[in-house]
Amino acid sequence: AQRVTQPEKLLSVFKGAPVELKCNYSYSGSPELFWYVQYSRQRLQLLLRHISRESIKGFTADLNKGETSFHLKKPFAQEEDSAMYYCALLSGSARQLTFGSGTQLTVLP
Amino acid sequence: GAGVSQSPSNKVTEKGKDVELRCDPISGHTALYWYRQSLGQGLEFLIYFQGNSAPDKSGLPSDRFSAERTGGSVSTLTIQRTQQEDSAVYLCASSLMREGVETQYFGPGTRLLVL
Repeated sequence: AQRVTQPEKLLSVFKGAPVELKCNYSYSGSPELFWYVQYSRQRLQLLLRHISRESIKGFTADLNKGETSFHLKKPFAQEEDSAMYYCALLSGSARQLTFGSGTQLTVLP
Repeated sequence: GAGVSQSPSNKVTEKGKDVELRCDPISGHTALYWYRQSLGQGLEFLIYFQGNSAPDKSGLPSDRFSAERTGGSVSTLTIQRTQQEDSAVYLCASSLMREGVETQYFGPGTRLLVL
């Protein structure tokens, strides 16, 4: 069965500091991985997906199949990055998302 | 264009009552998903529709839960004889596969509280 693990429930960094949100997955097939973000009082929204190899709002994430990881990184955190971040794996015949438990990022001034 | 919408945004009900939650997907999106976000369980998959059919109902937590989709558009999630453990935020998402890439877009959720 597929599994997504986000080991950090809470993460605080200072503005301008680098940030890395960890995500590890377990899946027997070829993974399709996503990062979703939920800002305060807003809906869950897609941040980026590994297949696009994109950078959104300065965030990047590289799929490392050897380490089964998909960590989210940003070199200089901003206060507006404070939010809940979810790593998710698309799998199954239903192509449903399996989510990690989320990491609450707080960027301090 | 308009995103996924859900109604009601909040619902308070008494234990044992039935509730109906509605989802309006993005126009043209053929796939529709229901998820539940609760304190103890995080975000969990409930059911998936491709068009009007639901080939995978394995995520529904009990037979008190059912869902339907009509006209390839609006979907309703029904919970019968609600229990306190049903209290959660119910999220709907719709998606469209384009050039081999699929992205699920989420609605704002319905916050259900069972007293």
